[in-house]
Amino acid sequence: EVQLVESGGGLVQPGGSLRLSCAASGFTFISYWMTWVRQAPGKGLEWVASIKGDGSEKYHVDSVKGRFTISRDNTKNSLYLQMASLSAEDTAVYYCARETSGSGIEFDYWGQGTLVTVSS
Amino acid sequence: DIQMTQSPSSVSASVGDRVTITCRASRDVSTWLAWYQQKPGQAPKLLIYAVSNLQSGVPSRFSGSGSGTDFALTISSLQPGDSATYYCQKGNSFLSLAFGGGTKVEIK
Repeated sequence: EVQLVESGGGLVQPGGSLRLSCAASGFTFISYWMTWVRQAPGKGLEWVASIKGDGSEKYHVDSVKGRFTISRDNTKNSLYLQMASLSAEDTAVYYCARETSGSGIEFDYWGQGTLVTVSS
Repeated sequence: DIQMTQSPSSVSASVGDRVTITCRASRDVSTWLAWYQQKPGQAPKLLIYAVSNLQSGVPSRFSGSGSGTDFALTISSLQPGDSATYYCQKGNSFLSLAFGGGTKVEIK
């Protein structure tokens, strides 16, 4: 059974840093692109970043470039999101998701999410 | 950047009704369009990929159609468990990946 379990969320002050983790199981982790998607309270979904299975390609949405970095450790079947210079606009539930590896880009498995709150 | 616009933003319908949600892309996205269902407090769930392909385990009352810039998700006979917010997602490049704003479906 595919499982994705996020952790690392919490309350952080503006300007602070946080690292999110996503533990994956039930599939061959290195074979899949992985992604972070966030959802601000009461708002829609926003793609944040994606990383190729071997880590050789990474993409980030413009609003987080230079502040957030996606990474992975295939020996630990884990996905990470290092977040810095956080602001209130980064407050959201952060989901990790697996890309289907089909012809297009869509996400077939999602974690339960971890809440990041940026506030003084 | 390609923008994805969903309409309506919300819809209220009765059990058994046919419900159609539309998604319009600001530029041609060919057939790279997916739909997700999200219930309160839960993660999104993939319903349809590549416009009209039903994800494994998704009931056949859900269907997708369209191409280019105009797409639709149809629920042929609305069921109580279909109350949720539905999102479209453009999916052919990580350089311009985007979700629609969502459509909330409520049961009368």
